[in-house]
Amino acid sequence: ETGVTQTPRHLVMGMTNKKSLKCEQHLGHNAMYWYKQSAKKPLELMFVYNFKEQTENNSVPSRFSPECPNSSHLFLHLHTLQPEDSALYLCASSQYPGQGAEKLFFGSGTQLSVL
Amino acid sequence: RKEVEQDPGPFNVPEGATVAFNCTYSNSASQSFFWYRQDCRKEPKLLMSVYSSGNEDGRFTAQLNRASQYISLLIRDSKLSDSATYLCVVSPTGNQFYFGTGTSLTVIP
Repeated sequence: ETGVTQTPRHLVMGMTNKKSLKCEQHLGHNAMYWYKQSAKKPLELMFVYNFKEQTENNSVPSRFSPECPNSSHLFLHLHTLQPEDSALYLCASSQYPGQGAEKLFFGSGTQLSVL
Repeated sequence: RKEVEQDPGPFNVPEGATVAFNCTYSNSASQSFFWYRQDCRKEPKLLMSVYSSGNEDGRFTAQLNRASQYISLLIRDSKLSDSATYLCVVSPTGNQFYFGTGTSLTVIP
């Protein structure tokens, strides 16, 4: 499936590194999301963009910086992360508002390890 | 109170068994409901939407009870390939989605 493409699949970084996660959706959607999934916890919403505008920032630390240049692309810039930030980061998209029940479609995720 | 609460599991069932998962949600104004399936270290994938009238897709049946704020998923004739984590998802508005912690299912030969 190539609906939502997310890179890289795996990332190992030191606490002083700067890296970026990239997401691209080919579904014609206008809303994009970043979620964090840690072990034994539900998916946590980090950021939401509708029509390139950020509509939600769920009290995420400033070491995570999102960027949405257009409705198809979403980035998550990472800097000075902590070991507890190690998790699976998932990009998703949806059509909002949609014709009936909007649905989330996910990218394959980036498994991030912070050393 | 959590937005969405699910049976913690894990559920270990033999092939061919019927298994049911439950989920409750706290926001009575919620409009859309879904079950997602997530395999280990993979992304969640939409299994089915849940409608007030109940809906069925092959061996899978989903039910919604708005009065009790309760959603269920029934899997009949379990297959080994059904082994995964099942996530209950509730959407109060079109771009808000709340996830349960997931219920782990292992189907045993």
